[in-house]
Amino acid sequence: AQKITQTQPGMFVQEKEAVTLDCTYDTSDQSYGLFWYKQPSSGEMIFLIYQGSYDEQNATEGRYSLNFQKARKSANLVISASQLGDSAMYFCAMREGKRSSASKIIFGSGTRLSIRP
Amino acid sequence: GAVVSQHPSWVICKSGTSVKIECRSLDFQATTMFWYRQFPKQSLMLMATSNEGSKATYEQGVEKDKFLINHASLTLSTLTVTSAHPEDSSFYICSARSGRGENEQFFGPGTRLTVL
Repeated sequence: AQKITQTQPGMFVQEKEAVTLDCTYDTSDQSYGLFWYKQPSSGEMIFLIYQGSYDEQNATEGRYSLNFQKARKSANLVISASQLGDSAMYFCAMREGKRSSASKIIFGSGTRLSIRP
Repeated sequence: GAVVSQHPSWVICKSGTSVKIECRSLDFQATTMFWYRQFPKQSLMLMATSNEGSKATYEQGVEKDKFLINHASLTLSTLTVTSAHPEDSSFYICSARSGRGENEQFFGPGTRLTVL
């Protein structure tokens, strides 16, 4: 069964606008972590933001914020004031179970974001 | 943040040959490293979890005899694609955490393998 679902294969957004990338997840664990990564055309994976399942507040990192709705099992990424350099693939990911060095991270299918000038 | 390197960044080989990819954590010790494979326009698929000093744990459907993983030290894990075939052509990415249970997982820059 799909654990991480990203329903938007591609999105086009005008520069300086905000954009929301959707992510829903499925787990029976009480303790888990949610991540967003950016992958530009160069292929490197760039960590953007993390949300723990017990974190009461939504995570924020600069222009990135994570809209965490635990009951709905959604963890949408919001990028404010989009820039041309934001054009890339974005992956939502989840780590199940308690945080440890060995716990696996699995990825969603990704959303390709394109910013129009 | 911590740095993970991979070598080579790209490799082209003939069908039937074996290819070794190195993954190094440059400024931290990684008791566990992860190997992912990414086909064009697809997501990262976890292949195996590499544990220092012990056997790797492979995901379902990944042939352990074809994808040999050796985690020889706390800073080095290697993935060897044995008897490579064109269908093994892919982008291989390793990642590591420092062992302190930190939230951030650091990724290498990836290795693009093309098998002719």
